[in-house]
Amino acid sequence: AQSVTQLDSHVSVSEGTPVLLRCNYSSSYSPSLFWYVQHPNKGLQLLLKYTSAATLVKGINGFEAEFKKSETSFHLTKPSAHMSDAAEYFCVVTRSSATNKLIFGTGTLLAVQP
Amino acid sequence: DADVTQTPRNRITKTGKRIMLECSQTKGHDRMYWYRQDPGLGLRLIYYSFDVKDINKGEISDGYSVSRQAQAKFSLSLESAIPNQTALYFCATRAGGGYGYTFGSGTRLTVV
Repeated sequence: AQSVTQLDSHVSVSEGTPVLLRCNYSSSYSPSLFWYVQHPNKGLQLLLKYTSAATLVKGINGFEAEFKKSETSFHLTKPSAHMSDAAEYFCVVTRSSATNKLIFGTGTLLAVQP
Repeated sequence: DADVTQTPRNRITKTGKRIMLECSQTKGHDRMYWYRQDPGLGLRLIYYSFDVKDINKGEISDGYSVSRQAQAKFSLSLESAIPNQTALYFCATRAGGGYGYTFGSGTRLTVV
């Protein structure tokens, strides 16, 4: 069975400071991992994805994530937060082959203070 | 136009009513999905379809039914709506063998 655990339901940072959103996964198979972002009253947008290529994945808007198999983690980071980064972020896992279903984490709400 | 279009965007309905949420796509993807989002629970899969003749239940299919009228259209029905079906519903598509999912903007459904 596969699952993801987002370790923080809320994270608050100041504008210009680093962002760290934590995600641990569990998978019996070689996983594919994603981060999605959802801005208020908007749909889901893909930030980045890991599909067994490079372990450090760069996404849109300056975000990146590192796949660490030994730690079963896929944390999302950004060096400097912007006000526009305030949103809810979802870590997602799926099988790397014959994929058909996304397993979503419960989400982390990021607040950015001026 | 959006790649994945959901209608309606918002809907308020009464308990016991039948309601249909519609999803259409211009991506040409063969796989389509319906998810619901509840606060603090993330998104959970209701139904998915690999093609017009292939419909599968997800983890929370009770109380829901779907219809894949064409490759581009996938509708979700609530036969007799109940208040705990109040949620944000998302349709998504994916090309077979690929990893890229495209989500619609969501339908906010309130059952009173």
